[in-house]
Amino acid sequence: QKEVEQDPGPLSVPEGAIVSLNCTYSNSAFQYFMWYRQYSRKGPELLMYTYSSGNKEDGRFTAQVDKSSKYISLFIRDSQPSDSATYLCAMSALNYGQNFVFGPGTRLSVLP
Amino acid sequence: DAGITQSPRHKVTETGTPVTLRCHQTENHRYMYWYRQDPGHGLRLIHYSYGVKDTDKGEVSDGYSVSRSKTEDFLLTLESATSSQTSVYFCAITPTVNTGELFFGEGSRLTVL
Repeated sequence: QKEVEQDPGPLSVPEGAIVSLNCTYSNSAFQYFMWYRQYSRKGPELLMYTYSSGNKEDGRFTAQVDKSSKYISLFIRDSQPSDSATYLCAMSALNYGQNFVFGPGTRLSVLP
Repeated sequence: DAGITQSPRHKVTETGTPVTLRCHQTENHRYMYWYRQDPGHGLRLIHYSYGVKDTDKGEVSDGYSVSRSKTEDFLLTLESATSSQTSVYFCAITPTVNTGELFFGEGSRLTVL
């Protein structure tokens, strides 16, 4: 079993839809959780960063962490074609870059 | 723009040849990282550096070496490239270890025939 699991998709939704992206993990020591967005042929860029459990909102994006279920989610409201990208979850027990474990990513297409 | 430049951006080489990828930053950050990205595996850490001449291994370091003689440059070397090292390589930097934020370069696409 991989340490971080993520449905690779592709996931196709119509413009304006609410998108739910998810990751599950096995290491109960993880306490730092991140979502990165990666456009085609580009490097990933940080979208959301959360510590421990709970929700965090930033504009149209909401990150949720449920440590009891070892499950994290990223919600995108009012999705736009510009949201079409691959979304990578990442997590770590320690807040150091060398400890980050990345999921394989979910490809999202938002259709106009 | 995170001030990271990777070179070359694309390279095709043959099995057994040495390859060096360069990462150059203009931000003067202490921490630099080399990742590889493969379908189904996500990003995996190869090596990282926490200062000039200070480097350490990551999850998939076999077959790779690194050097950092200046703050701004972090070199990744494949001494004798193999087809399993065909991948997209990303360099990353972090301004601080406390934010979870890695700034990535544009990637170097390497094909080993």
